Amino acid sequence: DAKTTQPPSMDCAEGRAANLPCNHSTISGNEYVYWYRQIHSQGPQYIIHGLKNNETNEMASLIITEDRKSSTLILPHATLRDTAVYYCIVRLSGGYQKVTFGTGTKLQVIP
Amino acid sequence: DAGVTQSPTHLIKTRGQQVTLRCSPKSGHDTVSWYQQALGQGPQFIFQYYEEEERQRGNFPDRFSGHQFPNYSSELNVNALLLGDSALYLCASSNTRELFFGEGSRLTVL
Repeated sequence: DAKTTQPPSMDCAEGRAANLPCNHSTISGNEYVYWYRQIHSQGPQYIIHGLKNNETNEMASLIITEDRKSSTLILPHATLRDTAVYYCIVRLSGGYQKVTFGTGTKLQVIP
Repeated sequence: DAGVTQSPTHLIKTRGQQVTLRCSPKSGHDTVSWYQQALGQGPQFIFQYYEEEERQRGNFPDRFSGHQFPNYSSELNVNALLLGDSALYLCASSNTRELFFGEGSRLTVL
C-alpha cells in the first residue's frame, strides 16, 4: 500500500498559485518527502524533496508540517505546461527500499 | 551529463515472447529500480538492484527478472509475455539523496 494519499484531481487558474496537498501520516523520522510530476505518460520528472524544513527551488516550494504528517507542493504561478499528474512519495535517505506510488493528483491548469 | 536513459522507447511483442529492456543510470547513481505503469495508474514497483544483486522486490511473478552490471546499468527481462504486461516500464536510478526516472519503455503485447 502507498504511504501517501493525495486528492485525485485539482483545477487551478493560469497565473495563480497551485497548492497540492499530500498526507503521509505514517512517515518515519528518517524518510524524506519527494515530489514528481508526469506529463503525457513520459517519465516522472523530479520537482523537489525535503525532510522537515521548507524547501524552495526554481520549480516549486515544499511546505512540510511540523509533525511531518502532511506536506504541500506550491507552484507559485501555474502555467498551462504545469498540467500533469503530481505524485508525492516518501523515501529513506540511502539504503535500498521499495518505494510505493499512490495514484497522484491530476492538476488541470485552466486558461 | 545524461540523466537516466532507457531503451528501446517503444516495442511491440506477441503473447508468449520474451523482452529485454535496458537502463543506464545517471552518473553517480549506484542503485537501479524498475517500475511498471499501466495506463491511468501510478507506477508499481517491480524490483531494485544494488551491487549487482536484487535487494527489494514488489508483487510481480518470477517471469519478471533483472540484472545489474558492474557499471551499474541494468536490464529487465520479462518471459512468456501476457496481454496484461502491456505498460510503460520505468527505470529509476538513485543514490543517497537523489531519485531520477528515465522516460520509459512503452511495451505493447498483442
